[in-house]
Amino acid sequence: ETGVTQSPTHLIKTRGQQVTLRCSSQSGHNTVSWYQQALGQGPQFIFQYYREEENGRGNFPPRFSGLQFPNYSSELNVNALELDDSALYLCASTRTSRSGANVLTFGAGSRLTVL
Amino acid sequence: QKEVEQNSGPLSVPEGAIASLNCTYSDRGSQSFFWYRQYSGKSPELIMFIYSNGDKEDGRFTAQLNKASQYVSLLIRDSQPSDSATYLCASGGSGGYNKLIFGAGTRLAVHP
Repeated sequence: ETGVTQSPTHLIKTRGQQVTLRCSSQSGHNTVSWYQQALGQGPQFIFQYYREEENGRGNFPPRFSGLQFPNYSSELNVNALELDDSALYLCASTRTSRSGANVLTFGAGSRLTVL
Repeated sequence: QKEVEQNSGPLSVPEGAIASLNCTYSDRGSQSFFWYRQYSGKSPELIMFIYSNGDKEDGRFTAQLNKASQYVSLLIRDSQPSDSATYLCASGGSGGYNKLIFGAGTRLAVHP
């Protein structure tokens, strides 16, 4: 049990459609980040939210957007889906270790297939 | 482009041997480094992290960091077939927030 829950686990969309992925993070972890992992690649940072504000973004176009809610749950929205958006989408919550390192814990992921 | 490089493998080792996984990073400002294990079809799970030069041991796992050479490694002692997975190396970067930069991963196969 990682404490980070994502839904749905799998979904199939067609090109041009829109998708919303959801994440519920551990209580008290007010930072959530989203990553995209294409097949055979490492996860790539999409963006991060802290106290409901986006405070960091990777090299992803504006059609990737997100929200964080007061209860620290989060959404990732992708508009105008493209075939290359097919990937595992990972949500992560952050905790700060006693040594000061920011440690990410990932949810199980949402696997998106775009046809 | 700030990158983390890993050999894709597969790295094949016999059961009971030491598996050595390596990665290099380009951002000299990176302060912390992480090793994640990912089984096929699953999400990454943290094995350990290191932020000081030298070695850090946790059970069968030892992480090694050499900031001068920009090199991180993970040793797995007494490798078991259950260790067969993809191992992802990540740097904490220097962007001021919690972004991790991942390598593409090394696939490890431990054969009986």
